[in-house]
Amino acid sequence: GDSVTQMEGPVTLSEEAFLTINCTYTATGYPSLFWYVQYPGEGLQLLLKATKADDKGSNKGFEATYRKETTSFHLEKGSVQVSDSAVYFCALSLGGNTPLVFGKGTRLSVIA
Amino acid sequence: DTEVTQTPKHLVMGMTNKKSLKCEQHMGHRAMYWYKQKAKKPPELMFVYSYEKLSINESVPSRFSPECPNSSLLNLHLHALQPEDSALYLCASSPRRTGEVYEQYFGPGTRLTVT
Repeated sequence: GDSVTQMEGPVTLSEEAFLTINCTYTATGYPSLFWYVQYPGEGLQLLLKATKADDKGSNKGFEATYRKETTSFHLEKGSVQVSDSAVYFCALSLGGNTPLVFGKGTRLSVIA
Repeated sequence: DTEVTQTPKHLVMGMTNKKSLKCEQHMGHRAMYWYKQKAKKPPELMFVYSYEKLSINESVPSRFSPECPNSSLLNLHLHALQPEDSALYLCASSPRRTGEVYEQYFGPGTRLTVT
């Protein structure tokens, strides 16, 4: 079946460090890929998306590139801030009525 | 405007109570979703409504009863819940066009505690 695998957390970084959160997927079709962020006590917010191979999604300094050859969609940010502390979910969708398939989430803590 | 609103924000109910969760969006989206999220886990899909019709029910117990009275509103009626049903309940919506994929927009959730 379709699945998403994310690196296990928690990830703890110092402010201004470089962030990478790995995400790989398995899908029977040609999925669209998403990163969602969940701040403490809140719902999920769409961070960025990519709908086809080699697309790069970007938002708020975060980037991820859809790599079909490696079935990956790794999240990166050049300089993290304390306010980036949250749980990050990688997800895929095959469209139509198929639901989002989420990874298990990666908790990021950024310390000043 | 990409806002999905949910009420109430917090709910505490006994196992014999009947309560309802409400979700609203005014983005013209024609697909709406209920998810359940336990602590430190990803959201789990419960129900999908497409054009106000129930299209997916992920084998959810009958003590959860969804309702979509119009294209902007989604309710989740709760009755005779168990303590293990305590969780964050998330509503989401997305545009719906055949053959295309659109992102889902989530509400802030209702934190439910069953005592």
